[in-house]
Amino acid sequence: SQTIHQWPATLVQPVGSPLSLECTVEGTSNPNLYWYRQAAGRGLQLLFYSIGIDQISSEVPQNLSASRPQDRQFILSSKKLLLSDSGFYLCAWSGYTGLDKETQYFGPGTRLLVL
Amino acid sequence: DQQVKQNSPSLSVQEGRISILNCDYTNSMFDYFLWYKKYPAEGPTFLISISSIKDKNEDGRFTVFLNKSAKHLSLHIVPSQPGDSAVYFCAARIYGQNFVFGPGTRLSVLP
Repeated sequence: SQTIHQWPATLVQPVGSPLSLECTVEGTSNPNLYWYRQAAGRGLQLLFYSIGIDQISSEVPQNLSASRPQDRQFILSSKKLLLSDSGFYLCAWSGYTGLDKETQYFGPGTRLLVL
Repeated sequence: DQQVKQNSPSLSVQEGRISILNCDYTNSMFDYFLWYKKYPAEGPTFLISISSIKDKNEDGRFTVFLNKSAKHLSLHIVPSQPGDSAVYFCAARIYGQNFVFGPGTRLSVLP
């Protein structure tokens, strides 16, 4: 069965510091991968999605970047964090073909607090 | 412009009664819809889906209804249980594009 991992679970970082959040998927090949952010009391905002290695699309202009160095690894980064980067970050995957393509499955999330 | 709306930020229901969560959308090209449940500090969990070729899909206590003419879908939970207390997101998609999520509705099931 497929599983998706995210770490760390919680992170407290000072303003101006760098960021690296990692997401890995097991049990599937060539997944579509996604990074979402949920700000406090708000819905899910799609930040980045990837259909393959080194193929990244950005949905909103921001202080963050994403990379996909391996098929099942998706990394969210920032060179200098802003206070507004605080939130709950979710990684998700969807299958490339068949019924799996119709659904996104989410990881456990990372809570980021920028102080 | 919010394409997927969940106009009720919160809902309280008595245990054993029916919970009805609503979702409205603006884009008639959406052809596939999902409902997710999310507990605090956890990732959303997929609940149920419906394709635009159907008007109803049922899975245990959960039923999703789709009214294409009204651009409206709803999630019914019967009977509601305290463990159903969570935030519920609806999501919609045009084939070949990414899902668009609503802002969520917080459901509280009171014992």
